[in-house]
Amino acid sequence: KAGVTQTPRYLIKTRGQQVTLSCSPISGHRSVSWYQQTPGQGLQFLFEYFSETQRNKGNFPGRFSGRQFSNSRSEMNVSTLELGDSALYLCASSSGVGSPLHFGNGTRLTVT
Amino acid sequence: QKEVEQNSGPLSVPEGAIASLNCTYSDRGSQSFFWYRQYSGKSPELIMFIYSNGDKEDGRFTAQLNKASQYVSLLIRDSQPSDSATYLCAVNRSGGSYIPTFGRGTSLIVHP
Repeated sequence: KAGVTQTPRYLIKTRGQQVTLSCSPISGHRSVSWYQQTPGQGLQFLFEYFSETQRNKGNFPGRFSGRQFSNSRSEMNVSTLELGDSALYLCASSSGVGSPLHFGNGTRLTVT
Repeated sequence: QKEVEQNSGPLSVPEGAIASLNCTYSDRGSQSFFWYRQYSGKSPELIMFIYSNGDKEDGRFTAQLNKASQYVSLLIRDSQPSDSATYLCAVNRSGGSYIPTFGRGTSLIVHP
């Protein structure tokens, strides 16, 4: 089975711009979660989607949004980028309640 | 009290020794417990999961769960320099959720 695929791997953006990241989960996994990871903050939960619905949301501003498509692929969008948004963005998929998360390779976002 | 707590380390052990990583959690009803390994600049990789009290062994890795004391441990036998990484503990809380809570991770250094 193919793993979780995230694109792109690297992004460099300027403050004020917006960015869209993509994630394809493991086949059959309907839950897709997004995390932000920075050296000082560890893994921070952004949101989780299941069957095209956002089921859980972390404590991030509204500039961070996401969606999930009928094939379970997910995108997250960050608008009006700030320098502090520079981070590794991780997508993970899961097959069921209590099952482990499987992470993609991540997208490294740098905001200048 | 943080929901999932880990000593940030670094934990330094000599090659060939046993590395012991610990994690405590606050939700007594937690059901699922996971250990992830994360190399610098890479995404977390699932290495062990455990659901029942006791020990679970997989190669050089042993996960130990004690629900009464609310801790989960990871033992790495015959530690190798390639085991040097950050180890993340993740716990699925009670109530049925796809989203585990992550600890901040423990940095392990295995020196030759």
